[in-house]
Amino acid sequence: NAGVMQNPRHLVRRRGQEARLRCSPMKGHSHVYWYRQLPEEGLKFMVYLQKENIIDESGMPKERFSAEFPKEGPSILRIQQVVRGDSAAYFCASSPPGAGGKADTQYFGPGTRLTVL
Amino acid sequence: DAKTTQPNSMESNEEEPVHLPCNHSTISGTDYIHWYRQLPSQGPEYVIHGLTSNVNNRMASLAIAEDRKSSTLILHRATLRDAAVYYCILPYNFNKFYFGSGTKLNVKP
Repeated sequence: NAGVMQNPRHLVRRRGQEARLRCSPMKGHSHVYWYRQLPEEGLKFMVYLQKENIIDESGMPKERFSAEFPKEGPSILRIQQVVRGDSAAYFCASSPPGAGGKADTQYFGPGTRLTVL
Repeated sequence: DAKTTQPNSMESNEEEPVHLPCNHSTISGTDYIHWYRQLPSQGPEYVIHGLTSNVNNRMASLAIAEDRKSSTLILHRATLRDAAVYYCILPYNFNKFYFGSGTKLNVKP
């Protein structure tokens, strides 16, 4: 059973370009979470999605960032007009259907390391 | 949101037990205690979680204080591969994880 997959693993963008990060959850999982980690810091929650729905985006910056989890295909985190401060590791995690409680385990992917030049 | 407090770093010798403490004095009755670890350049990895009773699995044991205001992750025999940052997490708003600074565990051969 493949784990959570993220691609690309490394992404380099110039200021002003768009970055698209993909996350394929574990088979059978319908809940996806995105986190951002700056160097030497812990992960920070960004957004929680279920299939075709954004459940909680309280950790997402109000501008330039968006996320989706379509009925078919991976979840996408999109960053428009990237700036140097967006350079970070972006992790996604998934959990199975019926999840949404405090006992639920989240399974993390290997992350995408974004570098903005 | 219940927050956790962990030491910044700890050191252990290989093959010896390691006890990683976590304080969560504002924990509520329904808060589960989760432990994850993050190896260098990798995503967080689930270790163990529990509510009130002590828990054991193949990776570790979790000892929860009777008043639930603290817990201890126990690695029974540390190996070099256990060197990582260990996070003690109380999910908030049901299932959002707050990762603090964690404890960086160094294992000496």
